[in-house]
Amino acid sequence: DGGITQSPKYLFRKEGQNVTLSCEQNLNHDAMYWYRQDPGQGLRLIYYSQIVNDFQKGDIAEGYSVSREKKESFPLTVTSAQKNPTAFYLCASSSLDRAHSPLHFGNGTRLTVT
Amino acid sequence: AQSVTQLDSQVPVFEEAPVELRCNYSSSVSVYLFWYVQYPNQGLQLLLKYLSGSTLVKGINGFEAEFNKSQTSFHLRKPSVHISDTAEYFCAVRDGNNRKLIWGLGTSLAVNP
Repeated sequence: DGGITQSPKYLFRKEGQNVTLSCEQNLNHDAMYWYRQDPGQGLRLIYYSQIVNDFQKGDIAEGYSVSREKKESFPLTVTSAQKNPTAFYLCASSSLDRAHSPLHFGNGTRLTVT
Repeated sequence: AQSVTQLDSQVPVFEEAPVELRCNYSSSVSVYLFWYVQYPNQGLQLLLKYLSGSTLVKGINGFEAEFNKSQTSFHLRKPSVHISDTAEYFCAVRDGNNRKLIWGLGTSLAVNP
């Protein structure tokens, strides 16, 4: 079955450490997205990519970095510069064929930084 | 700029009762409208979407939504909810002129026995 795999499901890190969240999709989608979700704040876009080797900042990119070396993969690094990294992180993908193509989501990674 | 307002942050309801989750968006020439559901500790999945045509859209799990252009609303309804419908529901709008998806803050539906 096609889908999006995020790993790990739970991640614990000490403050000051960089951490990389994995996102892989086998839907053959061109576009991939990273969102951050905090209680009561909905989904906020961190980065997105519409093609390999290219990506754009979303609304809250500071303290994060991404790469898109393969169409299937869009890892997110949470750097030590991110002031409040504890959150639920969601990866999504979509086709670019039509403007109304919906997003497909992974099951998320819950990051806790202490 | 496009914006989305989900008018209720929490909606408690008893099992088998009807429910309506409200969503309003700012005006635009053409929009695509979506409702997503998120069960605890999971990602989001598409419930339904409005592209054009009939204003009543049917989705999965017995949900439906009505597009009202004059009121710029896209309210989600279900005639009889189950305990398993307990989840967070998100309304989202994509302006027809660009690909950015604008999200509401979500409505937490709690179905009680």
